[in-house]
Amino acid sequence: DTEVTQTPKHLVMGMTNKKSLKCEQHMGHRAMYWYKQKAKKPPELMFVYSYEKLSINESVPSRFSPECPNSSLLNLHLHALQPEDSALYLCASSHLAQVVSGANVLTFGAGSRLTVL
Amino acid sequence: ILNVEQSPQSLHVQEGDSTNFTCSFPSSNFYALHWYRWETAKSPEALFVMTLNGDEKKKGRISATLNTKEGYSYLYIKGSQPEDSATYLCASMNTGFQKLVFGTGTRLLVSP
Repeated sequence: DTEVTQTPKHLVMGMTNKKSLKCEQHMGHRAMYWYKQKAKKPPELMFVYSYEKLSINESVPSRFSPECPNSSLLNLHLHALQPEDSALYLCASSHLAQVVSGANVLTFGAGSRLTVL
Repeated sequence: ILNVEQSPQSLHVQEGDSTNFTCSFPSSNFYALHWYRWETAKSPEALFVMTLNGDEKKKGRISATLNTKEGYSYLYIKGSQPEDSATYLCASMNTGFQKLVFGTGTRLLVSP
């Protein structure tokens, strides 16, 4: 299995809702990432988990809460989001974290398109 | 702040044309340069990772070069095909940062 699977593909939520994005990989990768991409902008790193521990938080607002229950799963819990949080959320994984070796290739999922009303 | 720039933003070529794009990045404390290919509605897919000045990598009709001293990488596609239509992203990492920084991509459209 060489894929990163993200669910749901599309999510529409109100500003008072609580929802979660899910990401799964079975490649034995020990680093997992959340990126946010807005239209015509580059993907921006949000969080990095290395060996199931949060290693990087790019000053992301607390309304985004990551969770790594085990080495194969990564969740992003969403609560009280704003319309400006509407974006494509990409999950990725790599053999080891970028901080260990920048040559580690990222394997991406296809993304979850989030719309906040 | 690490700034990665790609040019052109978009490109429209005919089938059979050869084309190239540029990725510019800060040359100081360079560590690695990645290229990814991203087709619409699919996952970004890794093409190349390069770390050494003068590196050249090739995958079929696609090749890439790296100049770390002047801070640029070229991606070449020889004899473009419609299936090459995608956004090509580069990302750079230097030793002062702990993350890859992406450019905005070059969007390639190849017409039959």
